[in-house]
Amino acid sequence: GNSVTQMEGPVTLSEEAFLTINCTYTATGYPSLFWYVQYPGEGLQLLLKATKADDKGSNKGFEATYRKETTSFHLEKGSVQVSDSAVYFCALSLIEYGNKLVFGAGTILRVKS
Amino acid sequence: NAGVMQNPRHLVRRRGQEARLRCSPMKGHSHVYWYRQLPEEGLKFMVYLQKENIIDESGMPKERFSAEFPKEGPSILRIQQVVRGDSAAYFCASSPPSRARADEQYFGPGTRLTVT
Repeated sequence: GNSVTQMEGPVTLSEEAFLTINCTYTATGYPSLFWYVQYPGEGLQLLLKATKADDKGSNKGFEATYRKETTSFHLEKGSVQVSDSAVYFCALSLIEYGNKLVFGAGTILRVKS
Repeated sequence: NAGVMQNPRHLVRRRGQEARLRCSPMKGHSHVYWYRQLPEEGLKFMVYLQKENIIDESGMPKERFSAEFPKEGPSILRIQQVVRGDSAAYFCASSPPSRARADEQYFGPGTRLTVT
């Protein structure tokens, strides 16, 4: 089946630290890969995506590279801010499944000033 | 350009009552997805609809849950005879019609259902 595994949190960092949140996937086809972010009490916001191997998605200083050989899509940011504190979800979709999203469990990120 | 709208934002129902959750997709979007976020269980797909059609309801519980997306008006997720286990956040997402971006989904703020 199709599934996403991401590192458990919470991840607690100091401001300006480097962030990595690991994400690996299993898919029956060739998925699109996404990172979504959820701030407290809000819906999910699309942070970035990649649709083929070696593509790099980037937005707001966050980056993730589609690695087909390791079936991974790790999220990175060079210098986190307090305002990055949120829950981060890795997800995949497949066009043959109507593009419905399959989510990882989510990783809570806390950034201290 | 208004985003995906959901209402109500918070809904309290007693056991046995009906809950109706509404979702208006972004302007120009004709595909709607519903997801449920249960405590400790993460986000799970429920149903995928296009105007007047249910495309995939493989994530819907077999009983008490139904969804529609009429030609006019919002998409509705309906839960009959609610039970405490239905307490969750329900999110709607819509996607654009262009082929290049059909895999992008834009989420509403959610409806938080509490069953007492």
